[in-house]
Amino acid sequence: DAKTTQPTSMDCAEGRAANLPCNHSTISGNEYVYWYRQIHSQGPQYIIHGLKNNETNEMASLIITEDRKSSTLILPHATLRDTAVYYCIVRPASGGSYIPTFGRGTSLIVHP
Amino acid sequence: GAVVSQHPSRVICKSGTSVKIECRSLDFQATTMFWYRQFPKQSLMLMATSNEGSKATYEQGVEKDKFLINHASLTLSTLTVTSAHPEDSSFYICSARDGRTGNNEQFFGPGTRLTVL
Repeated sequence: DAKTTQPTSMDCAEGRAANLPCNHSTISGNEYVYWYRQIHSQGPQYIIHGLKNNETNEMASLIITEDRKSSTLILPHATLRDTAVYYCIVRPASGGSYIPTFGRGTSLIVHP
Repeated sequence: GAVVSQHPSRVICKSGTSVKIECRSLDFQATTMFWYRQFPKQSLMLMATSNEGSKATYEQGVEKDKFLINHASLTLSTLTVTSAHPEDSSFYICSARDGRTGNNEQFFGPGTRLTVL
C-alpha cells in the first residue's frame, strides 16, 4: 500500500548521471521523502531523505518539486556498483505509529 | 548510522524443520522491530511488527503460529519459521527503530536467505 509510484526499470551508462523519478502526489505536510536502495541479496541501504528543500550527500542528490508531489534522486556519476533497486518512500518524521511499507521500486541497471 | 545485524546470513534446512533467525540492534535500543520477506524479483513484504515486551502484530495472510516472533529485549528479536516448507524459501529482512526518540528512523539488517529443501 505504498504511496509512491516509480518506473519499473531504468538504465544508465557508467559515468553518466542517473535520474530516478518518484511521484508522491498524496504526500502530507509532515511527511518526508526517503530513498533506499537494495543491491541484490542485501538489505535496503539508506541513501537520502528530504522534506521540501533539495538535499545532497556523498551518495546522491534529492530534488523535490515545489509542490512536493514528486521528487528525483540523482546519482551524479553512476558506477556499475550502483546497479540496484531504488525505493522511494514517504513517511512522517515522528509519531511512532508509522508502519513502513515498500512499493516495487525502480530497478536501475548501470551498464559499461 | 545505526547498525542492525542478522544471523545467520543464509540457512538451508530440510522440509519440516524449524529455523530461527536473529535480528540484533548493535548500537541502539530497538523498541520496535519489523520483519519482512522478499521473494525473487518482488518487493519487501511486511510480515509483522513487534514491540519489545509485547506480542507481535501480524499482517493479513501471515500465519502467526508458523512465524513465531519473540522480541524479549531491546536489542534482539527472533523469527522462527516452524515446520518450514519449500514455499517458505525466501529472503527475510528485519529492521528496527528506537521509538522512544519519537523518530521514525528505521535501520535495516542485511537479510537472511532461507532455502528449504
